[in-house]
Amino acid sequence: SAVISQKPSRDICQRGTSLTIQCQVDSQVTMMFWYRQQPGQSLTLIATANQGSEATYESGFVIDKFPISRPNLTFSTLTVSNMSPEDSSIYLCSGGNSYGETQYFGPGTRLLVL
Amino acid sequence: KQEVTQIPAALSVPEGENLVLNCSFTDSAIYNLQWFRQDPGKGLTSLLLIQSSQREQTSGRLNASLDKSSGRSTLYIAASQPGDSATYLCAVRPGSSASKIIFGSGTRLSIRP
Repeated sequence: SAVISQKPSRDICQRGTSLTIQCQVDSQVTMMFWYRQQPGQSLTLIATANQGSEATYESGFVIDKFPISRPNLTFSTLTVSNMSPEDSSIYLCSGGNSYGETQYFGPGTRLLVL
Repeated sequence: KQEVTQIPAALSVPEGENLVLNCSFTDSAIYNLQWFRQDPGKGLTSLLLIQSSQREQTSGRLNASLDKSSGRSTLYIAASQPGDSATYLCAVRPGSSASKIIFGSGTRLSIRP
């Protein structure tokens, strides 16, 4: 199994600013993902974080708004850029080693944009 | 396009009852299906993972079944306890796009003492 931690756990930010969320896994994982969970809704995949290369974004998400880094097999960051109140959500990091195995999730980062 | 639906959206039962949570998906060509639990303000905890070739998985008081042909999965919770109160999420990994898990909207479960 993998234990995933995220920093910060929550933040309140002003419109127009940016926030970088860190994700740390306690063991090497092949795959890392970033999800968004808007209030009262389920999880939506933002992107797959690829080690050493650009992330793969899902439809509706772009690199300029959500730049992602993944320098190694245990760490990734997600930046929410030029924030607006619509970006208020929980952002979750996830990781796993194989599509046939369990995918693990971090505790999430609660973001409120004023 | 794969869609995952969970009914009911919310459920409240007295402690001790056995209960069933339902999950349906529109495309039967799946890689696997996973049930998660989410507590308020927290991340997701994996409960059970069923591969496409399997019919069910069990862990303690939990039993998850999978019927691919009908596009259904159920999560059975035996002898429910107040500590089981949480949101339960069903997630499907499509066979055509195994990199992406598609989540249902969840069932918010409340167990009354």
